[in-house]
Amino acid sequence: AQTVTQSQPEMSVQEAETVTLSCTYDTSESDYYLFWYKQPPSRQMILVIRQEAYKQQNATENRFSVNFQKAAKSFSLKISDSQLGDAAMYFCAYRSVKINNDMRFGAGTRLTVKP
Amino acid sequence: DTGVSQNPRHKITKRGQNVTFRCDPISEHNRLYWYRQTLGQGPEFLTYFQNEAQLEKSRLLSDRFSAERPKGSFSTLEIQRTEQGDSAMYLCASSQGAGRGPQHFGDGTRLSIL
Repeated sequence: AQTVTQSQPEMSVQEAETVTLSCTYDTSESDYYLFWYKQPPSRQMILVIRQEAYKQQNATENRFSVNFQKAAKSFSLKISDSQLGDAAMYFCAYRSVKINNDMRFGAGTRLTVKP
Repeated sequence: DTGVSQNPRHKITKRGQNVTFRCDPISEHNRLYWYRQTLGQGPEFLTYFQNEAQLEKSRLLSDRFSAERPKGSFSTLEIQRTEQGDSAMYLCASSQGAGRGPQHFGDGTRLSIL
């Protein structure tokens, strides 16, 4: 079964600085998707960025970018120029394309942004 | 607002009672998913529908849980004879197409068992 591991329960960053959140996953499949979701306190889960496993190029969305290392099964999220509104729980998620369609989430990383 | 809508936002009930939650997906989305999220954890998959067909159920979905999507639009999740361990946030998500699109989440229903 696929598992997703986020080894950093909490991270902190100074406003305007850069922070990297780590994620590793375990799978025997070659075709899958990886996602980072953001969940602010008492608010809904929002998709931040997605990566298709067959694409070698790392996905980028404005201040958010990923470092996808397929061989190492690593998928880290880099947030540049951190803003106060970035404070939230961040979940890494894996979704198989072939076998089923549920997403497997990591336990999350709580990001605090200091002014 | 055309996002995923869940009702109620919060449900408090006594152990042993039945509860039902509703999810209205984004209108053009044919796939609907239910997840359970406990405090400090990521969401765990429960079940999903493609249109009105329930295509997969997690082993987390015990016999006390049932989900329906009768007309391929909104969905309900019912928990019978609730237990303390059912206390969690129940999240609904929807996506378009054959499952390759991203899932869009609702605000969730928080269930508290007294």
